[in-house]
Amino acid sequence: NAGVTQTPKFQVLKTGQSMTLQCAQDMNHNSMYWYRQDPGMGLRLIYYSASEGTTDKGEVPNGYNVSRLNKREFSLRLESAAPSQTSVYFCASSYTEGPANEKLFFGSGTQLSVL
Amino acid sequence: GESVGLHLPTLSVQEGDNSIINCAYSNSASDYFIWYKQESGKGPQFIIDIRSNMDKRQGQRVTVLLNKTVKHLSLQIAATQPGDSAVYFCAQSGYKLTFGKGITLSVRP
Repeated sequence: NAGVTQTPKFQVLKTGQSMTLQCAQDMNHNSMYWYRQDPGMGLRLIYYSASEGTTDKGEVPNGYNVSRLNKREFSLRLESAAPSQTSVYFCASSYTEGPANEKLFFGSGTQLSVL
Repeated sequence: GESVGLHLPTLSVQEGDNSIINCAYSNSASDYFIWYKQESGKGPQFIIDIRSNMDKRQGQRVTVLLNKTVKHLSLQIAATQPGDSAVYFCAQSGYKLTFGKGITLSVRP
């Protein structure tokens, strides 16, 4: 039962470097999400994809891009990393399309540090 | 805008006692509420959910209570165990789930 798989688990970047966080789910879910978690801020939505072929901005999309590669995979790209993007990133998925009114299944997270 | 808040940042309970974690929400139009548990170094894990047409829902050792009049959500954990030590988040529906900041539950042996 893999669920939601994220890679890598840890990453250190220098300011200005780029990288892509990968996420895959094997539950045949339609919707996928990227959140960041910062101390005292809770979980904040970066981008989401309500269905294959669609993506939408969340609360904090600046500095990020996403790709819904297929139904299983949803990647998050940092084109030019900044120290403010140091955070823990979580990918999540849910079965329904559209507004999130059901439980999300989360991956184990990627801890990213930007120096 | 929507906001979901937790009344206390930390809660310490004795092993075996019942725990009550409270949460206030702002969006009276939300029709779905959910509790997550997050252990150190892991992603949030679903505990229990409730829809707005219900006041109470029970799971295994957990109960969620919804008071729509005062926009208040609570999570009750019966016979708290050391494995219950974690951060707990409430969330409410809207165009997306809005998460509270989290409360740390610490279980004393």
